[in-house]
Parts: sequence; C-alpha cells; structure tokens
Amino acid sequence: DIQMTQSPSSLSAFVGDRVTITCRASQSISNYLNWYQQKPGQAPRLLIYADTNLQSGVPSRFSGSGSGTDFTLTISSLRPEDFATYYCQQSSLTPFSFGQGTKVEIK
Amino acid sequence: QVQLVQSGAEVRKPGASVKLSCKASGYTFTSYFIHWVRQAPGQGLEWMGVTNPSDGSTTYTQNFQGRVTVTSDTSTTTLYMELTSLTSEDTAVYYCARDSKGPDYWGQGTQVTVSS
Repeated sequence: DIQMTQSPSSLSAFVGDRVTITCRASQSISNYLNWYQQKPGQAPRLLIYADTNLQSGVPSRFSGSGSGTDFTLTISSLRPEDFATYYCQQSSLTPFSFGQGTKVEIK
Repeated sequence: QVQLVQSGAEVRKPGASVKLSCKASGYTFTSYFIHWVRQAPGQGLEWMGVTNPSDGSTTYTQNFQGRVTVTSDTSTTTLYMELTSLTSEDTAVYYCARDSKGPDYWGQGTQVTVSS
C-alpha cells in the first residue's frame, strides 16, 4: 500500500499569510493527488484534483504543485474561512490512501 | 442539483451488523463510481473502497475484505453498505462520495456508534 505523509501536522498562521502544506508518497503516484479541506462537523470538500487542477468553485488562492512523490498545497493569502484541516489523497493505486491531515489554526 | 443523502445515525453492540444507505440524485446514477470513506472520532480520513453503482462491484481496502458488502439498487439510485462483526474501532462517521475527476460531491455522513 502507498503511504502518504503530510507535514506539518499542524500550523498557526495569521490572516494574509502564505501557507504551504507538503505531502509525500511512499512511491511515485505520477500526478494522482487530490487535496481536501475539512471543517469540524462537515464532510470533506475537494479543493484540487490531479495535482494541480482547481475544483469548480474553489478560490484561486488555493493551488497545488508537484509530481512523482512530493506535492504541495499552497494558500497564497490565508483568509478566516480557510482555518480547517487539510488532507492529501493519492488516487494512483487502491487503497486510495489519505495523509494524516494538517490542521491550520489562527495565530 | 447533485445530492448524496445518507441514512441516519446507528447504534450497535459489538459483534452486530449495520447497513447504511447512500441515495443519489441529480445525475445519472450509473455514470459515476462512489467512494466510501470513514472518520473515527478526532481522527483522519480512512478510505474504505469504491463501488460501481451499475452492478455494485466494489474494490475494498484489505482491512474490510470479508466484512463489508455493498449492494446497488438502480431503481431507487441507492447504494447500501453493510458492515458486519462490529467492534468499538468501527465507531466513526461513514461518508459516501461521488467520483468525478475526484470525489466531488459528498454525503452528509452517517454516525455509527458501537458500544456495549
């Protein structure tokens, strides 16, 4: 099975900060990488699919990059509504494993 | 509009079974696979499997092989997931999600609590 490792596990940031979350796969997954946002009590929300593609309705301050084993989610300017937990997921091989999550908190 | 509506919360004793439903609407039911994801209290997301609604065929994570069965009712556009031999570790919110270019629409989740 492919293991997905996110870092950091949590971070504190100010509104307006640029935030970067990384995700590493235990083997190459090409560009089969999705990113999700989840707020307490809610279902996850797909932000980015296939590494770099912004899901419809997602603000352009979110972006994804990387390929192979190393990937990045960037929030260019953090807004209050972005405080949440973020997960990466590989969709290259079943089981489609998730990273452990990164909690983004207000500083 | 696309909607996935899941069944209500369930409480079961250890060793029992539970059957959850996921009703799809607003799109062609058989055209999109459905993912199953669960989340234990305070924990991350765990991918369980993916189902072809056309025939109910499902690819499961090894952890759930032999314990999970998914069936599809195309007449009511509803998927059913049955999980057997429940333990306290199965206490979680269970989600279904439609797969487009990624899991783009999610159900609201079903809370399953396993407690003696």
